[in-house]
Amino acid sequence: QKEVEQNSGPLSVPEGAIASLNCTYSDRGSQSFFWYRQYSGKSPELIMFIYSNGDKEDGRFTAQLNKASQYVSLLIRDSQPSDSATYLCAVYGAGNMLTFGGGTRLMVKP
Amino acid sequence: NAGVTQTPKFQVLKTGQSMTLQCAQDMNHNSMYWYRQDPGMGLRLIYYSASEGTTDKGEVPNGYNVSRLNKREFSLRLESAAPSQTSVYFCASTPWGLGTEAFFGQGTRLTVV
Repeated sequence: QKEVEQNSGPLSVPEGAIASLNCTYSDRGSQSFFWYRQYSGKSPELIMFIYSNGDKEDGRFTAQLNKASQYVSLLIRDSQPSDSATYLCAVYGAGNMLTFGGGTRLMVKP
Repeated sequence: NAGVTQTPKFQVLKTGQSMTLQCAQDMNHNSMYWYRQDPGMGLRLIYYSASEGTTDKGEVPNGYNVSRLNKREFSLRLESAAPSQTSVYFCASTPWGLGTEAFFGQGTRLTVV
């Protein structure tokens, strides 16, 4: 079983809608949680990180963390076609390792 | 500010050839990583170096070796390339401690024929 799990998608949402991306992880000792966006042929770029239970908002993006359920999510409000990309969940934990999920492909349709 | 620099950007190897991928960061980060990414998949950790002088295996280390040359540089070596190693390779670095965020190089697209 992979340590960080994501639905591969594609997740298709209409422009202006809320996109909800989910991630589960297996290591209860994990400390920090990250969301990266990766456009085709490019390197991952950091969108947000969160390390406390609850919500963290940054512009149109909200990260949600529930350590008891070992669950982290990313909400994108007012989705734009430019948000179409693969979103990677990453978990930072024991041994200073950063482990990625398989990514969710998001498609925002005009 | 260059961030994380990888060389080369593209490489074609014949089966059995060897090569070294170079990575350097100028952010004074302690931890460095090598990942591979195959079509339609996320990133899989090959090796990492939590700090200068240490290296550890990740999820898919077979067929690779690494060297943490100094705090700035972390190289990945393929001793005898195989077609299964055709992939995009990313180097990344992170600062030390909680809440660290990874910075990625631009990637090396490697094809083994």
